Amino acid sequence: DVKVTQSSRYLVKRTGEKVFLECVQDMDHENMFWYRQDPGLGLRLIYFSYDVKMKEKGDIPEGYSVSREKKERFSLILESASTNQTSMYLCASSFVGVSYEQYFGPGTRLTVT
Amino acid sequence: AQRVTQPEKLLSVFKGAPVELKCNYSYSGSPELFWYVQYSRQRLQLLLRHISRESIKGFTADLNKGETSFHLKKPFAQEEDSAMYYCALNSGGSNYKLTFGKGTLLTVNP
Repeated sequence: DVKVTQSSRYLVKRTGEKVFLECVQDMDHENMFWYRQDPGLGLRLIYFSYDVKMKEKGDIPEGYSVSREKKERFSLILESASTNQTSMYLCASSFVGVSYEQYFGPGTRLTVT
Repeated sequence: AQRVTQPEKLLSVFKGAPVELKCNYSYSGSPELFWYVQYSRQRLQLLLRHISRESIKGFTADLNKGETSFHLKKPFAQEEDSAMYYCALNSGGSNYKLTFGKGTLLTVNP
């Protein structure tokens, strides 16, 4: 059974803080993704990675960066959190041969005050 | 650029009634379409994909290239079908990204 875990279920941070969201998958998937999920806006891709140290911008990368030093771990970094980054953040992973089937983590609900 | 449109934010039906969740897409190539579902307090998960032409939990979806649609249908809705449904498009190739629609929240009333 594929397991994608995220470091926190709920997180509250102050404006201007540096925020790290961690995601770990245990199925040796090559691809990993970070989305934010907002009511009425659906899922929007922030960044994705198709290999260690490789990354590509998604649709809304502004204000975010990522790190993938190990295959199983993909970190999302908010360099200076702002209130408009309050959202649900979802991590996902997929196997390169079956790239359409993404396995999602439980999500991190981030509130920036 | 690819785009996925789900015109209904909310859809409410009664148990036993037919249900259709609409999805339209815009893509110049040969698309792969999928439906993902998120039940309350559960993770987002793949429901079905057009290539397999399978029925999952009684749901089916047919890709209509002429109308650029991939509507999700079920003849008799059940209360446990209440969930958020997302239509997604994979443009294929080396592009591993899925483009998701904004989602439709389905409520099946008793």
